[in-house]
Amino acid sequence: DAGVIQSPRHEVTEMGQEVTLRCKPISGHDYLFWYRQTMMRGLELLIYFNNNVPIDDSGMPEDRFSAKMPNASFSTLKIQPSEPRDSAVYFCASSLAGTAMSWSSGNTIYFGEGSWLTVV
Amino acid sequence: AQKVTQAQTEISVVEKEDVTLDCVYETRDTTYYLFWYKQPPSGELVFLIRRNSFDEQNEISGRYSWNFQKSTSSFNFTITASQVVDSAVYFCALSEEKTSGSRLTFGEGTQLTVNP
Repeated sequence: DAGVIQSPRHEVTEMGQEVTLRCKPISGHDYLFWYRQTMMRGLELLIYFNNNVPIDDSGMPEDRFSAKMPNASFSTLKIQPSEPRDSAVYFCASSLAGTAMSWSSGNTIYFGEGSWLTVV
Repeated sequence: AQKVTQAQTEISVVEKEDVTLDCVYETRDTTYYLFWYKQPPSGELVFLIRRNSFDEQNEISGRYSWNFQKSTSSFNFTITASQVVDSAVYFCALSEEKTSGSRLTFGEGTQLTVNP
């Protein structure tokens, strides 16, 4: 089975440019998560969706960041305008159930390979 | 507030040595879940284990074992007879049932290098 698919895997862009990261969750998963990994802050949740609806976006750093999920098989994370401090690895993840209580070895949150963003 | 601390930033061992990765957590919730993830050089996050706060039984899976101790708020991970393929960054994570729902709070990660 295909896992969570993210694109692009690597992107280098200039400050001020718009960046769009894409994610295709595992088919049938109702929850989709966007995490960011940086040296300074580690792995942190930015936003998550349930059935395409944003549930918690309290981790989104500022108005320059926006996320959408137009359908069950696609989500985007957009940064406009991008800044050097946005350089990070952005992970998309999906799960069948939303809470850790429901996760087990056979049903858990699956992460994509990440999108490595560098803003120069 | 929930917090996960992995005090060991980097560990280097020689193949076949046993190695323990430490994880200490903080939570006010009585029901919570602890996780370990592996991040190999390729970058993806691979699920290893989930433990709930009511189950303090230690778990063994092949060369991997986990020691959960509520008294010390620790959830340590041991790799027995380490192999070069175990080289990766390992993350401990916490989710509180009441307050965080789907949010995973990750530790800083421990970079494990297994040398041949």
